[in-house]
Amino acid sequence: QTVVTQEPVVSVSPGGTVTLTCGLTSDSVSTSSYPSWYQQTPGQAPRTLIFKTNTRSSGVPDRYSGSILGNKAALTITGAQAEDACDYYCALYMGSGVWVFGGGTKVTVL
Amino acid sequence: EVQLMESGGGLVKPGGSLRLSCAASGFTFSAYMMNWVRQAPGKGLEWVSSITGTSSSRYYADSVKGRFTISRDNAKNSLYLQMNSLSAEDTAMYYCVRMRTAGAIPWFDPWGQGTLVTVSS
Repeated sequence: QTVVTQEPVVSVSPGGTVTLTCGLTSDSVSTSSYPSWYQQTPGQAPRTLIFKTNTRSSGVPDRYSGSILGNKAALTITGAQAEDACDYYCALYMGSGVWVFGGGTKVTVL
Repeated sequence: EVQLMESGGGLVKPGGSLRLSCAASGFTFSAYMMNWVRQAPGKGLEWVSSITGTSSSRYYADSVKGRFTISRDNAKNSLYLQMNSLSAEDTAMYYCVRMRTAGAIPWFDPWGQGTLVTVSS
């Protein structure tokens, strides 16, 4: 069974840069996996940050960017701010109508 | 404004059934694939099921296949999830989510606020 992997916890200093990754246990992530990224603050529904690997959703600050790094999808926060501290999830398309979310990454800004 | 409003959650005993609903507004409902995504307390997101705009195709996660049924009524702009044989592992917030596409590339957007399902005796 394919598992989508994400770092459980990452830390970044205010103003710093951090990269979150989204991988597959049994394959490489490519644009054909349609990677997308979602941000979730406590008690709230997720909101879309990035779709089509690297396209920011409407209203998302340009300090967020998406890419493919090696064999993984990546979300980079450049110039991190206190309000970026929350949970981030990636989603990958497995084919045959099946989607899998990663386990999520908790970002702390300190 | 696109809005998705879930309802139907609540407390149900193990082995019981529940039907979730999602009322959609602000867009042409029939033109979009729709999804259910759930999140167990303190856990990550889990895709549950998807249905195409015409209901011609339905997809399920292995964890719910054979127990859950997704459906929609385009005349009522509504999405449903019939959940049978519920167990404690099904306890979660259930989100109704539209599937958007750009150049045939899909993603989940937007998300409803969710409805909580608790399976407990």
